[in-house]
Amino acid sequence: GENVEQHPSTLSVQEGDSAVIKCTYSDSASNYFPWYKQELGKGPQLIIDIRSNVGEKKDQRIAVTLNKTAKHFSLHITETQPEDSAVYFCAASLYSGGYQKVTFGIGTKLQVIP
Amino acid sequence: KAGVTQTPRYLIKTRGQQVTLSCSPISGHRSVSWYQQTPGQGLQFLFEYFSETQRNKGNFPGRFSGRQFSNSRSEMNVSTLELGDSALYLCASSLERGPPDEQYFGPGTRLTVT
Repeated sequence: GENVEQHPSTLSVQEGDSAVIKCTYSDSASNYFPWYKQELGKGPQLIIDIRSNVGEKKDQRIAVTLNKTAKHFSLHITETQPEDSAVYFCAASLYSGGYQKVTFGIGTKLQVIP
Repeated sequence: KAGVTQTPRYLIKTRGQQVTLSCSPISGHRSVSWYQQTPGQGLQFLFEYFSETQRNKGNFPGRFSGRQFSNSRSEMNVSTLELGDSALYLCASSLERGPPDEQYFGPGTRLTVT
């Protein structure tokens, strides 16, 4: 089955700096890659996603890039703010047998230091 | 539109007991997936229901079961609770207009087994 590796597991950045989280996946048939942000005491919230026919997608301070050949994708957060502090999960989704199978990375705890 | 709701939010049970958790998806969403989240294992897929049928199942013992009702609400049941079942249980719903399909998570039910 699909395997998703995510790193780093923890990341501390100064407010205003950029943060980058990287993920690799194993199944080349995966075609959808969402990113989730989970704040303390809450469920994961979908913040951005990218489909396999797109190399990059941006939404204000957040961007995601996808390299299908290397089977890796990354989340970039620019001009970080304290409210960006949370756990971020990447996921790889494969559509097979009439339904979607989603595999998550282990998560990255991001701390933005004011 | 209301988000995914889960009840109860917190639960304390004793080893050997059973527990039932409930999930109400976003209105119009017909797919509901359940995940177990623990610090060491991340988000582990339990099962997915669509139109009252289990379409996909993760690698969990038979003590974990679920069902979906005609209004798309879903329940999961864990019998003969073990200490290792302590976790945050998350459900996610999707519209099924894909593929791919965006998943939206509820706040989770925090289960503690003593």
